Amino acid sequence: GENVEQHPSTLSVQEGDSAVIKCTYSDSASNYFPWYKQELGKRPQLIIDIRSNVGEKKDQRIAVTLNKTAKHFSLHITETQPEDSAVYFCAASKGRSYGKLTFGQGTILTVHP
Amino acid sequence: EPEVTQTPSHQVTQMGQEVILRCVPISNHLYFYWYRQILGQKVEFLVSFYNNEISEKSEIFDDQFSVERPDGSNFTLKIRSTKLEDSAMYFCASSEPLRGGGPYNEQFFGPGTRLTVL
Repeated sequence: GENVEQHPSTLSVQEGDSAVIKCTYSDSASNYFPWYKQELGKRPQLIIDIRSNVGEKKDQRIAVTLNKTAKHFSLHITETQPEDSAVYFCAASKGRSYGKLTFGQGTILTVHP
Repeated sequence: EPEVTQTPSHQVTQMGQEVILRCVPISNHLYFYWYRQILGQKVEFLVSFYNNEISEKSEIFDDQFSVERPDGSNFTLKIRSTKLEDSAMYFCASSEPLRGGGPYNEQFFGPGTRLTVL
């Protein structure tokens, strides 16, 4: 089955710096890659996603890139703010297989003021 | 904005007891999921459900677990004879259908039920 590896496990940055989180996946049939943000004690919330027919997607300070050949995708957060501090999970899915998500291990992002 | 809801927020039970975790998916969604997250670990898929039957289940989802949609709004996860290792946060999620079949990929998660087995 699909396996998703996520790095780093923890990331500490200063406010205003950029943060990059990387994930690799094993199943070349995966075609949907969402990123979820989970604040302490709260539900995972989708922040951005990308489908395999595009290589990059941007939404304000957040961007995701996908390299299908290398089977990896990355989350980029620019101009980080303290409220970006949370756990970020990447995931992969084979679209029409009823949408089962396989998650990475998570990255604890801490943005210091 | 519609949200997935779950009850209870926290359930404490004795080992060997049965628990039922309840979820109300977003009303126009047709695909339903249960995931669990052991403290400090990744979110793990348990089961997906569509058209009143299980679509896919993981190795974790053994005979101890069952799911049901008892009415038009609720989606439940039953854990029979709970074990200590069942202690985790259980998340329900739902997604709406794509035109032409298959789920719309975005899954909306509920706030979770923290299950503690003593």
